[in-house]
Amino acid sequence: AQSVAQPEDQVNVAEGNPLTVKCTYSVSGNPYLFWYVQYPNRGLQFLLKYITGDNLVKGSYGFEAEFNKSQTSFHLKKPSALVSDSALYFCAVRDPRGATGFQKLVFGTGTRLLVSP
Amino acid sequence: DAGVTQSPTHLIKTRGQQVTLRCSPKSGHDTVSWYQQALGQGPQFIFQYYEEEERQRGNFPDRFSGHQFPNYSSELNVNALLLGDSALYLCASSLVSELGAQYFGPGTRLLVL
Repeated sequence: AQSVAQPEDQVNVAEGNPLTVKCTYSVSGNPYLFWYVQYPNRGLQFLLKYITGDNLVKGSYGFEAEFNKSQTSFHLKKPSALVSDSALYFCAVRDPRGATGFQKLVFGTGTRLLVSP
Repeated sequence: DAGVTQSPTHLIKTRGQQVTLRCSPKSGHDTVSWYQQALGQGPQFIFQYYEEEERQRGNFPDRFSGHQFPNYSSELNVNALLLGDSALYLCASSLVSELGAQYFGPGTRLLVL
């Protein structure tokens, strides 16, 4: 079965420091990977995706993610954290079963990022 | 460019009742997916609609049903509500022809008493 693991329930980092939110995946076939962010009482906002190409993917709000096929990981990173980055972050993988275009997203359990001033 | 919109934002129902949630996709999108997000959990896929037909379904009972209209908007219906149906219901839209991201609406928070 396709799955995503986010091993940390919470990540704490001081403002200005680099941050990493970890994600590992298990999928048959080519992995299509996504990161979303959720602020309190809000829906999910798309940050970035990996479909193919460069292993370092750049996304919104200064975030980037590194795809590592050998380690089956897709960690989210940011060089300098902001207090406003504090939110819930979800990694997701597209389930390759089913016809192209009709593939659901399988989400991890989420990691809460807390950036302290 | 309007994003995904959902209505209502909040809803309170009692056990056994029925509820209808509504979603309008992002402009230009033709596929709508519905997810349930229980408190403290990641979203779980319910089903997906394209060309007014259900194309894929997750592990949800048939109390959960949906519909897509010719203008691509969609409804999620839940019958015989249970306490465990209390959750944030998220609608996401995408283009069937692309392998891009799904874009989510703000969600409808359903509380079943």
